[in-house]
Amino acid sequence: DSGVTQTPKHLITATGQRVTLRCSPRSGDLSVYWYQQSLDQGLQFLIQYYNGEERAKGNILERFSAQQFPDLHSELNLSSLELGDSALYFCASSVGDPPDGNTIYFGEGSWLTVV
Amino acid sequence: AQSVAQPEDQVNVAEGNPLTVKCTYSVSGNPYLFWYVQYPNRGLQFLLKYITGDNLVKGSYGFEAEFNKSQTSFHLKKPSALVSDSALYFCAVTGGGADGLTFGKGTHLIIQP
Repeated sequence: DSGVTQTPKHLITATGQRVTLRCSPRSGDLSVYWYQQSLDQGLQFLIQYYNGEERAKGNILERFSAQQFPDLHSELNLSSLELGDSALYFCASSVGDPPDGNTIYFGEGSWLTVV
Repeated sequence: AQSVAQPEDQVNVAEGNPLTVKCTYSVSGNPYLFWYVQYPNRGLQFLLKYITGDNLVKGSYGFEAEFNKSQTSFHLKKPSALVSDSALYFCAVTGGGADGLTFGKGTHLIIQP
């Protein structure tokens, strides 16, 4: 158990809908990261927050947004869902930024299926 | 931009033999390198990392990796493979900054009894 908690573990939704994925980082970790894993794209970095502020941005679509709350949990909002958004979404956390060499620990992921 | 290449989609090794999973990287500045393992329907588990210092890094489950700056490589190794090592292995790199942690496409490691 990495200590990173993600909910829900699985969800199925229809195209055009909106979903929210939730992540609680490890105790003491200030950084939260979101990744998308799909068969064709591999593991793609979406976005990172550090202590409530956006720190780094990757291949995140405009239909997707995220935030980190004062209690450090994070939510990833996916809207106007398309079939191609079906993937495994990972949340990860670390004490600080990678430049400090901090290890990033991953949750078990949220399986999203868009039908 | 930073990048990671894992040239082999799949590596097959007989149980008890040594294994190597290859990784090369490209990054501006000093690299911070990581290996993770993913079992089916599970999250990524941290194995080891290179930040600075000794080029040979030891990690979990008997794995180790060798950092080679001139070849920009960070190959994962284990002296004696176990069937339970069969999984998907990811190499990752960051040079800091706004690019986050970049992963390779992963290598399926299959250990045959």
